[in-house]
Amino acid sequence: EDQVTQSPEALRLQEGESSSLNCSYTVSGLRGLFWYRQDPGKGPEFLFTLYSAGEEKEKERLKATLTKKESFLHITAPKPEDSATYLCAVRGSSASKIIFGSGTRLSIRP
Amino acid sequence: EAQVTQNPRYLITVTGKKLTVTCSQNMNHEYMSWYRQDPGLGLRQIYYSMNVEVTDKGDVPEGYKVSRKEKRNFPLILESPSPNQTSLYFCASIGLAESSYNEQFFGPGTRLTVL
Repeated sequence: EDQVTQSPEALRLQEGESSSLNCSYTVSGLRGLFWYRQDPGKGPEFLFTLYSAGEEKEKERLKATLTKKESFLHITAPKPEDSATYLCAVRGSSASKIIFGSGTRLSIRP
Repeated sequence: EAQVTQNPRYLITVTGKKLTVTCSQNMNHEYMSWYRQDPGLGLRQIYYSMNVEVTDKGDVPEGYKVSRKEKRNFPLILESPSPNQTSLYFCASIGLAESSYNEQFFGPGTRLTVL
């Protein structure tokens, strides 16, 4: 059964303090691993799609990487406006369902 | 502007009173989906549709119905709502064309309370 686990549940950083969020997944035939940002009371906002091990994508202070078992979202020199919940999801080849992790709540202190 | 719209944004209703939440996208996306989001449980897929007249169950389909008669619309129907369907609901669409493959857009959400 396809499964996604994110860690940590919550992370508090000082402005400028770089860190990484983890997404571990089990899926039969990965057709895409997705990262989203969600602000309170709003719909998730698409960040990245990764397809194969070794792939990396970057957007401003965010960089997503992928291995065969997990993905990392690296945040470099974060700012308070990066505070949000970051969601990971996968889509496998056995079905067209999309499975989400429970997210990491990121808080950046000025 | 590319967007997914949902209506209503907020709804308070009573047990057993049928309701429909509408969803519409203007990006000509083939894939549309409904999710519910509950504290501690994250986003769970209710139903999805790969194209017109093609729908399939997600992880939590019980108590819900959907239809896809047109490509742009994907309404969510609760025939007899119950309090355990109180939740925040999101509609989403995904492009399958090469230029926007797998980029999923979400609507603003519908907060439903069933008394």
